[in-house]
Amino acid sequence: GAVVSQHPSWVICKSGTSVKIECRSLDFQATTMFWYRQFPKQSLMLMATSNEGSKATYEQGVEKDKFLINHASLTLSTLTVTSAHPEDSSFYICSARKSGNTIYFGEGSWLTVV
Amino acid sequence: KQEVTQIPAALSVPEGENLVLNCSFTDSAIYNLQWFRQDPGKGLTSLLLIQSSQREQTSGRLNASLDKSSGRSTLYIAASQPGDSATYLCAVDLTGGGNKLTFGTGTQLKVEL
Repeated sequence: GAVVSQHPSWVICKSGTSVKIECRSLDFQATTMFWYRQFPKQSLMLMATSNEGSKATYEQGVEKDKFLINHASLTLSTLTVTSAHPEDSSFYICSARKSGNTIYFGEGSWLTVV
Repeated sequence: KQEVTQIPAALSVPEGENLVLNCSFTDSAIYNLQWFRQDPGKGLTSLLLIQSSQREQTSGRLNASLDKSSGRSTLYIAASQPGDSATYLCAVDLTGGGNKLTFGTGTQLKVEL
């Protein structure tokens, strides 16, 4: 079956540094990927839609200069959290749309900023 | 703005019990509704997807119903097992294609031996 992989699964970084999270579709091409964040005991909130070969579409309230999204190929989207702060600590999950409307989610990435 | 609410927030039941999880949404103009399972610290697994034109979907011990006009969906789990312990999320899709999934806050289910 289709698999979406995220890397790293967990990462700890210092305040002020940047960290990159990768989302890969392993056995299908995904022209569109989605990035969500989830705070403890809260639901998933859509951050942005990543479109291959074009700029990402950000949801209201999400800083595009802080959360850089690059979708350089049909199987890879990256989310870079720039100048990370402790309040950016969260669980980040990506999803990818296969042909048609089937959505597959990654395993998620835990980010802790210290 | 679409709001999705799930009740109860947490549920603990003995093994073998049948149970119902509830999901309500404020905007009935949806394309579909999905139920997901999330294990602690993990991603999401899609369980059932109901198109707006459908009333229910079944997969094994799971049955999901949709009443779009009243903004409600239920997930029925028959003969619950400890392996069913997880957080269950419902999500509505307003635009189709999974572009704008709005998630509920989830129901944390624990099935005890």
